[in-house]
Amino acid sequence: DADVTQTPRNRITKTGKRIMLECSQTKGHDRMYWYRQDPGLGLRLIYYSFDVKDINKGEISDGYSVSRQAQAKFSLSLESAIPNQTALYFCATSDFGGSTDTQYFGPGTRLTVL
Amino acid sequence: DAKTTQPPSMDCAEGRAANLPCNHSTISGNEYVYWYRQIHSQGPQYIIHGLKNNETNEMASLIITEDRKSSTLILPHATLRDTAVYYCIVRAYVKGAGSYQLTFGKGTKLSVIP
Repeated sequence: DADVTQTPRNRITKTGKRIMLECSQTKGHDRMYWYRQDPGLGLRLIYYSFDVKDINKGEISDGYSVSRQAQAKFSLSLESAIPNQTALYFCATSDFGGSTDTQYFGPGTRLTVL
Repeated sequence: DAKTTQPPSMDCAEGRAANLPCNHSTISGNEYVYWYRQIHSQGPQYIIHGLKNNETNEMASLIITEDRKSSTLILPHATLRDTAVYYCIVRAYVKGAGSYQLTFGKGTKLSVIP
């Protein structure tokens, strides 16, 4: 979905390096999410944010941190990258409307940690 | 959390209807059924969601059984571009978080055959 963009799209780095993945959205949504996907597996939630002042850990937050710089921007950092963090990373946004909360995903960032 | 069961793979002839089943026998009364698809490592794409009634949009139809223990996603005229992994997700409420986490399983790999 072009309304959710991720940079970079591909990144190769070395063990121990600090890496930042960025997500921007023009959908005007308050909620943003970071997921990772490993080969052959479903997506797992890393962090999520309901607004600029709200950050929550997801299922697999160890080794990651996030920053919500503005409503439209949500960054994911790997403080010291390790090889098992090699994965596809997806950002998503949603707008809670009563009882529904449809998430829309970005194109993904393929991260390789050597 | 309500779990879902989907067949790992299905084939469908181009131009025919693709019917993708999903079992969610432990679904709670206020949980929605969501369908997403993922085309070759792209970001998951939202298709449709429903609670009790059958739903239809420009992409697909969702048929939910009266007891809500299963559902079927119908792509009325499958094309080669519909080849993807289709995820049936029951939106679960994560206690203490105020969040509605989407839990992605392994999905059904749909292959549309010319």
